[in-house]
Amino acid sequence: ETGVTQTPRHLVMGMTNKKSLKCEQHLGHNAMYWYKQSAKKPLELMFVYNFKEQTENNSVPSRFSPECPNSSHLFLHLHTLQPEDSALYLCASSQDPPGTVFRGTGELFFGEGSRLTVL
Amino acid sequence: LAKTTQPISMDSYEGQEVNITCSHNNIATNDYITWYQQFPSQGPRFIIQGYKTKVTNEVASLFIPADRKSSTLSLPRVSLSDTAVYYCLVVRSGSSNTGKLIFGQGTTLQVKP
Repeated sequence: ETGVTQTPRHLVMGMTNKKSLKCEQHLGHNAMYWYKQSAKKPLELMFVYNFKEQTENNSVPSRFSPECPNSSHLFLHLHTLQPEDSALYLCASSQDPPGTVFRGTGELFFGEGSRLTVL
Repeated sequence: LAKTTQPISMDSYEGQEVNITCSHNNIATNDYITWYQQFPSQGPRFIIQGYKTKVTNEVASLFIPADRKSSTLSLPRVSLSDTAVYYCLVVRSGSSNTGKLIFGQGTTLQVKP
């Protein structure tokens, strides 16, 4: 239990569907992240939020739409996805600002991930 | 931030000590070296972080030479459950929002019986 909860754990959707992934952290952190991990590939940083403001969009297609209503919650809205978008989507949070060592170690706390399959 | 280079894969046997080396030639003065472990279908987990010389915790040791251009993660007496991907990252100290937590390919460690 890392203190970061992702739902759903598994999701199957068609290319015309609209769905959302949810992430909630109970750690009091101010930075939150979405990563994508495709089979046999490295983790890809998608979006970064710091104090609810998006600070990083790593050239992610617009069919992925993030939302951060507060520092504890992060959503990833999905629409008109492609089969190649099938992957494990990981949410993370950190106490320190993104990519930095400040008050702590800059450690990222990851959720269990949401396994997405696009048919 | 400094780019990191580490071996793609390593094999070991139970009970052996495993050393995984990471190169970060362009590391800056205010950069820290951090290692994560990832099991299949799970998010990475922080293992250890260091700045110089040696750091040890209950999981691993981290050796950093004086020039800090490389670091070595040492796992003592590995077991089958240590089979995972190990990532080396460089993280900058400070409060400014300039960092990018980029995970490379990592090193896939396969521990055999």
